[in-house]
Amino acid sequence: GENVEQHPSTLSVQEGDSAVIKCTYSDSASNYFPWYKQELGKRPQLIIDIRSNVGEKKDQRIAVTLNKTAKHFSLHITETQPEDSAVYFCAAATQGGSEKLVFGKGTKLTVNP
Amino acid sequence: DGGITQSPKYLFRKEGQNVTLSCEQNLNHDAMYWYRQDPGQGLRLIYYSQIVNDFQKGDIAEGYSVSREKKESFPLTVTSAQKNPTAFYLCASKDFGQGNEKLFFGSGTQLSVL
Repeated sequence: GENVEQHPSTLSVQEGDSAVIKCTYSDSASNYFPWYKQELGKRPQLIIDIRSNVGEKKDQRIAVTLNKTAKHFSLHITETQPEDSAVYFCAAATQGGSEKLVFGKGTKLTVNP
Repeated sequence: DGGITQSPKYLFRKEGQNVTLSCEQNLNHDAMYWYRQDPGQGLRLIYYSQIVNDFQKGDIAEGYSVSREKKESFPLTVTSAQKNPTAFYLCASKDFGQGNEKLFFGSGTQLSVL
């Protein structure tokens, strides 16, 4: 089955700096890659996703890149703000298959003012 | 932020006891999921259901059971066979099919062993 590795497990940046979180996946059939953000004490929420027919997707200060050959994808946050502090989870799934997501172990991002 | 409701928020289990966590959604979603969240372990899939009266095991189903008698409800029972049940449990739902990938999560249940 699918296995998703996520790095780093913790990341601390200064406000205004960029943050990058990386994930690798094992199943070459996976074609859908979302990122979820979980603030302290709250439920995870989808912040951005990408499908395998696209190499990059941007939404304001966040972007995701995908390298299908290397089977890795990354989340990029620019101009970080304290409210970006949260745990971020990457995931992978095969659309049209079992419809289940496999999550990475999460990255705790701290943005220091 | 309604749509998917979990109860209770906190639950305590005694040794040898079965406990049931409730998950209800009014989003008319076909698929529902149960995840277990442990510190540093991410979200691990326990069970999922894509249609009423049908469900599949996830990666860590041992010691758990589910039912899907109604579209809007997907309760999870933590049985006495689950030896390490202390964790945060998240229920989620989504529409089935390509183009409907966003998972909607409940607010979770923290289960602890007395």
